[in-house]
This record gives sequence, C-alpha cells and structure tokens, in this order.
Amino acid sequence: DVKVTQSSRYLVKRTGEKVFLECVQDMDHENMFWYRQDPGLGLRLIYFSYDVKMKEKGDIPEGYSVSREKKERFSLILESASTNQTSMYLCASSLEGTLNTEAFFGQGTRLTVV
Amino acid sequence: AQKITQTQPGMFVQEKEAVTLDCTYDTSDPSYGLFWYKQPSSGEMIFLIYQGSYDQQNATEGRYSLNFQKARKSANLVISASQLGDSAMYFCAMSPGGYNKLIFGAGTRLAVHP
Repeated sequence: DVKVTQSSRYLVKRTGEKVFLECVQDMDHENMFWYRQDPGLGLRLIYFSYDVKMKEKGDIPEGYSVSREKKERFSLILESASTNQTSMYLCASSLEGTLNTEAFFGQGTRLTVV
Repeated sequence: AQKITQTQPGMFVQEKEAVTLDCTYDTSDPSYGLFWYKQPSSGEMIFLIYQGSYDQQNATEGRYSLNFQKARKSANLVISASQLGDSAMYFCAMSPGGYNKLIFGAGTRLAVHP
C-alpha cells in the first residue's frame, strides 16, 4: 500500500518559533510537494521538489523554506512562525514525467500558531 | 495565468440522484491533465478521475465521469446515483505540464441527503 506520511496530525506552536513539518513517502517518487489548504482558497502550492536537493517555489513561498536531502523525505520549514500561517498543510508525491500521474497525499498537518 | 475555477461553494443532492460539479480552467499549455479529488471530513485526499488534454473520450471511473469540453475549458465531474458516503469536499485540479505540479480550485462541498 503506497504511503505518504506526515510526522504530525496536529501541531500547536508559538509565534516566532521555528517549525519543521516532515513528510516521507515510500513510493520512490521523484516529485514532492507542499500545499497549504485554507477554506475558500483550496490548496495552494508552497514549494515543490523534483529531485534530491532541488526545489522550486510555488505560488506562496513567502515565510517558508524546504529541504530535500533524501529522495523519500521533504521537509517544510517555517523560519519564524506567525499566526497567519495557521492552516492545514498537505504533503504530496508523484512520479515524474507524464501528465496523468496522480499525486498521492499525506493525511495533513493542522498547524495552529498562537 | 494558470487557474482553476470552481464556482459552486456548496451543493446538495438527494441520495440516488446524479449531480454535476463545475470546473473551468485556464492555461496556455497545449498539454495538460485534469484531475478530481475527494476530501472527506477525515481530511485525506482521494484521487477520483483523470482526463488528459489530448484524450478524445470523456473519462469514466465507476460512478464518476468527467464531462470534458475543451473549447469551453471546462471539466465538470458527474457523480451518478449519489450515495451518503459521497458527502465530502471535491477539488478540481490541473497539471499544466512540467513536474506534475497540481493547481487546485477552491473546492465544492457536496452534501448528499437521504
């Protein structure tokens, strides 16, 4: 059974903290993504990576960074958490190369910044 | 600009009836893929159906079909014989080519009434 696993389901952090959201996939996928989901806005792409140590900015990268040191792991970093980063964060992975490749999602991390 | 528009924030349907969820897209890429995902209240994203821009026939997967009208840039999801378990958030997404990144719409919340 294919799997994308996010390290936490729920997280509460204080303003100004450095926050790490971890994502691991076991499907040997080249592509990995971080999305943010907010009501009425759908899913918005923060960053994606198509190879180890490679990363590309998505639509809303401000306030975030990412790290991909190993193929199976993609981390999202909030350098200094702010209340407007309270949201649901979804990690996904997919094979590279063809348009019809579906993305597989993790269960999501609901982050609250207080 | 590459964009997905879902104009129906919420829909309801009677059990066993069919329902159409609207999706329009905008892209200048000649090659693209269109996806529908379901997100139940538990939060996981479930892939439903895929349509490629060059596919001649509308995609079907069980009770799901995608009404693809390329000239109108629309990719509506049709669910036949609705079931109570179909109550969920539904997202339309597009992969406009390159690295399979998905652009999502805002979603439509579907409620199936007995």
